[in-house]
Amino acid sequence: SAVISQKPSRDICQRGTSLTIQCQVDSQVTMMFWYRQQPGQSLTLIATANQGSEATYESGFVIDKFPISRPNLTFSTLTVSNMSPEDSSIYLCSVEDLTRQGGKQFFGPGTRLTVL
Amino acid sequence: QQQVKQSPQSLIVQKGGISIINCAYENTAFDYFPWYQQFPGKGPALLIAIRPDVSEKKEGRFTISFNKSAKQFSLHIMDSQPGDSATYFCAALFNAGGTSYGKLTFGQGTILTVHP
Repeated sequence: SAVISQKPSRDICQRGTSLTIQCQVDSQVTMMFWYRQQPGQSLTLIATANQGSEATYESGFVIDKFPISRPNLTFSTLTVSNMSPEDSSIYLCSVEDLTRQGGKQFFGPGTRLTVL
Repeated sequence: QQQVKQSPQSLIVQKGGISIINCAYENTAFDYFPWYQQFPGKGPALLIAIRPDVSEKKEGRFTISFNKSAKQFSLHIMDSQPGDSATYFCAALFNAGGTSYGKLTFGQGTILTVHP
């Protein structure tokens, strides 16, 4: 499976600021996904990031709040903009492993964000 | 409908016992059903997965049972160990075959505690 790393692993931020989270994969992947996991909750997909095109956002998530970049096939960033305490969550990136039969998604370790 | 409903919310099992977690889905277009295991502070790890053309898949102590007509699937952990204590998520995916890419819809999660 692909090895996925995320930076930072955790951060504490002030209300109104922005944080950019990086996701790096050790192999080229077509699709990367960004999820949010609020404390004690399940995972919710924020957006799908395809290299060379605009990210596709799920209902309830907008580009102004969560801009995403996907400059190449191994890297993506998610920015959480104008943060509020409600944005305190774990943010996870995932990739789909196409070396195996389609559908296997693997997750990074996550970025634990606390907004004060 | 894209919901996946998971039960129970929490489960306590004695060491050596069988842990059973159930999931139900509504949309028959789902064609790939993975289970993820998540330890505190870590990203979800793919545990085992099944496609609707088989009724059961076993990998070591972990077994998925799939009932297509009932639109239900379950995870069985045999000989449960304290190291299995984690949160388990079922999920479902559209368009998992070929070169199509899909987004995962997660269940609510089950916190499993295995007592020594």
